[in-house]
Amino acid sequence: DAGVIQSPRHEVTEMGQEVTLRCKPISGHNSLFWYRQTMMRGLELLIYFNNNVPIDDSGMPEDRFSAKMPNASFSTLKIQPSEPRDSAVYFCASSFRGNYNEQFFGPGTRLTVL
Amino acid sequence: DQQVKQNSPSLSVQEGRISILNCDYTNSMFDYFLWYKKYPAEGPTFLISISSIKDKNEDGRFTVFLNKSAKHLSLHIVPSQPGDSAVYFCAAYTNAGKSTFGDGTTLTVKP
Repeated sequence: DAGVIQSPRHEVTEMGQEVTLRCKPISGHNSLFWYRQTMMRGLELLIYFNNNVPIDDSGMPEDRFSAKMPNASFSTLKIQPSEPRDSAVYFCASSFRGNYNEQFFGPGTRLTVL
Repeated sequence: DQQVKQNSPSLSVQEGRISILNCDYTNSMFDYFLWYKKYPAEGPTFLISISSIKDKNEDGRFTVFLNKSAKHLSLHIVPSQPGDSAVYFCAAYTNAGKSTFGDGTTLTVKP
């Protein structure tokens, strides 16, 4: 298996632009998580899905952030409009609910908003 | 309110010695705990876990201890190797699957 796939690996954009981060979880996994890592706040859980349904989005910082999971093999995290303080590494992770505790992380997307 | 704390941002040990990484939590609803290891430019990878019904779990050189009354867990690595140098995250999970991570401890193992 290829593991969790994230794209793009790096994104540089200007303030005010829309940014879309993509994630393909490991086949057969039915839980998906989006995290953000910054120097100031460490690794924060933004939102997670079970069976494509958002379960807890209390970590999403504000309405500019939205996440979707239209099917079991794809999820997006969108920021619109983006701001410089959104600059961070965004990780996607997936797990099998029956073993929900071990999450497999993707390599991350490094986002820079100028 | 930070529910999971790793109070030591960094730790340096000599190769062959024991590394002890600590983690404290405040939420009694956490029932499962994991340690993740992270190298630069990579996502975290699972290392070892422990259920709240246990007080110890061992896997090779890695042992995790849980003290529920103190809401404290620790990761022991013995003997430490230079390849263990990484950032270690403590993570706590509720039975609904929600995870909360600590800020991480950077371990440096000197040859």
